[in-house]
Amino acid sequence: EAEVAQSPRYKITEKSQAVAFWCDPISGHATLYWYRQILGQGPELLVQFQDESVVDDSQLPKDRFSAERLKGVDSTLKIQPAELGDSAMYLCASSRLAGRGDTQYFGPGTRLTVL
Amino acid sequence: QKEVEQNSGPLSVPEGAIASLNCTYSDRGSQSFFWYRQYSGKSPELIMFIYSNGDKEDGRFTAQLNKASQYVSLLIRDSQPSDSATYLCAVLTLGLNSGGYQKVTFGTGTKLQVIP
Repeated sequence: EAEVAQSPRYKITEKSQAVAFWCDPISGHATLYWYRQILGQGPELLVQFQDESVVDDSQLPKDRFSAERLKGVDSTLKIQPAELGDSAMYLCASSRLAGRGDTQYFGPGTRLTVL
Repeated sequence: QKEVEQNSGPLSVPEGAIASLNCTYSDRGSQSFFWYRQYSGKSPELIMFIYSNGDKEDGRFTAQLNKASQYVSLLIRDSQPSDSATYLCAVLTLGLNSGGYQKVTFGTGTKLQVIP
């Protein structure tokens, strides 16, 4: 069964350092999402791609966060510099299209701890 | 008002009972509704989705949607200890800030505890 891949699974870093997360969606899925989930809360959308284009990054803190999906396949989310409040689970999801009943499939996530 | 609201719980039910999880949403234009299960430290996994008023059943799970009341629920029959998890309600809506692309908004989740 096809799955969304993410790496690393865990990342510990010090504040002010740069971190990067990678996501490889299910083959053929045009839509890719990056979410941040703080403990005890629901996932919060950071950025949504349709192929290689950003269609929603309204909640992305653009002063420190960046995301790209250059060839419309895999994607990288970067934080520079990391802050203590960035400690969270970063989830990547993909779907074939952003359609009415189209299912989002989640990867295993990257647990980030900022010290 | 939050876009998607859920009671955080925990909701405790005895094994074999029916668990009822509720979710309300604010945007009347929302089109599809999803229930995800999330075990501690894991990523969400889809249980089922619904987009028409009424009930939709899948095994021990039934999703109920009432668009007039902006309310969606999930019933779990014959609850098992393995059902103990956080259940996330997600709502798909036309994204005003996304050039018409639809986006999914999650609630904060309800923690379910099934007591053996």
